[in-house]
Amino acid sequence: AQSVTQLGSHVSVSEGALVLLRCNYSSSVPPYLFWYVQYPNQGLQLLLKYTSAATLVKGINGFEAEFKKSETSFHLTKPSAHMSDAAEYFCAVSDKRGGSNYKLTFGKGTLLTVNP
Amino acid sequence: DAGVTQSPTHLIKTRGQQVTLRCSPKSGHDTVSWYQQALGQGPQFIFQYYEEEERQRGNFPDRFSGHQFPNYSSELNVNALLLGDSALYLCASSLEQGRIYNEQFFGPGTRLTVL
Repeated sequence: AQSVTQLGSHVSVSEGALVLLRCNYSSSVPPYLFWYVQYPNQGLQLLLKYTSAATLVKGINGFEAEFKKSETSFHLTKPSAHMSDAAEYFCAVSDKRGGSNYKLTFGKGTLLTVNP
Repeated sequence: DAGVTQSPTHLIKTRGQQVTLRCSPKSGHDTVSWYQQALGQGPQFIFQYYEEEERQRGNFPDRFSGHQFPNYSSELNVNALLLGDSALYLCASSLEQGRIYNEQFFGPGTRLTVL
């Protein structure tokens, strides 16, 4: 079975500060890993994904994440927060052996607040 | 391209009733997955449809059933509604190409409230 743990249900940063959202996963098989963002009253939008050997993944809106197998982590970072980054962020894992359409297992989410 | 669309946007039902939610996939997609997102939680996988058949299923009771039509659109049916079924129901679509990774695109969801 796969699972995702997101440390911190709520993270608050100042505009221009570093954003760090933590994600640890549990998987007995090679995983795909994802970060999604959800704005109020909207669906999920893919920020970035780890699906290959490149462990540092760059996504949209200046976000990036690093896959660390030894730490079973996939933390999301952005060097400088913008007010528009305020949203809920979800880390997800999927079984790579199941192919690209295998079910996603999500964490409980981290609400990011950006203060002016 | 309208992306993934879902209807209705909001729905209010009472316990014991039945509900049908609908999803139209993004143009060119042939696979539809359904997720339940309870308040304050991450989405949980319900099931996935491909070639009009249920291909994967999460840990949900048989009260949750679905269907996929020849045009790839899909329905989620929930019978004998419980208060705990209140949630945002998300539909995601993608294109099946074996080992080639294709992104799953999510719709805006249907907010179901059970009273």
